[in-house]
Amino acid sequence: EAGVTQSPTHLIKTRGQQATLRCSPISGHTSVYWYQQALGLGLQFLLWYDEGEERNRGNFPPRFSGRQFPNYSSELNVNALELEDSALYLCASSLGRGAEWTEAFFGQGTRLTVV
Amino acid sequence: AQSVTQLDSQVPVFEEAPVELRCNYSSSVSVYLFWYVQYPNQGLQLLLKYLSGSTLVESINGFEAEFNKSQTSFHLRKPSVHISDTAEYFCAVSLTANQGGKLIFGQGTELSVKP
Repeated sequence: EAGVTQSPTHLIKTRGQQATLRCSPISGHTSVYWYQQALGLGLQFLLWYDEGEERNRGNFPPRFSGRQFPNYSSELNVNALELEDSALYLCASSLGRGAEWTEAFFGQGTRLTVV
Repeated sequence: AQSVTQLDSQVPVFEEAPVELRCNYSSSVSVYLFWYVQYPNQGLQLLLKYLSGSTLVESINGFEAEFNKSQTSFHLRKPSVHISDTAEYFCAVSLTANQGGKLIFGQGTELSVKP
């Protein structure tokens, strides 16, 4: 069974540009989560999508946005990139909410570097 | 609000020695508890979890953690470490009421196993 896949693995952008990161969840999983792992700041929750809807959002500015497609894959968009957006962005998926939920499975991450 | 504190940022230990990585959490409501491991340049892998039942949980590679509700702790232990255990370890909580949803992570503990 394929795990959570993220693309691209690495992404280099210039300050002010937009970045798009993609995530494919494990087959059958309906929830997708995005986390930012920046140096010195630990793992910060960004966004949670379930069944195509945004369920929760972390303390990030509006230029961080995303969406979930009908096939449950997800995109994270970061507009007007700033140097401090440089980080490893991790996507996770799970069976959604309710009694089925037991854990979240993480992908390998996208390393975003803003120069 | 919930928070997770990992009391040691770095733990150096010699091979075959025992190790304990400490984790305390703060929450006024019931939580699920997790330990994830991150090897260099990789995503997170679930090591073990506490959802309900026995307060002592074990992983397949010799780690164990005990949920202590009165002390709000979930310390990770291994009686004899290997070089291959060198990695960063993250403690995390999730609200049981959400039955899913975001994880709140500690800052991580870097375990360094020396020969």
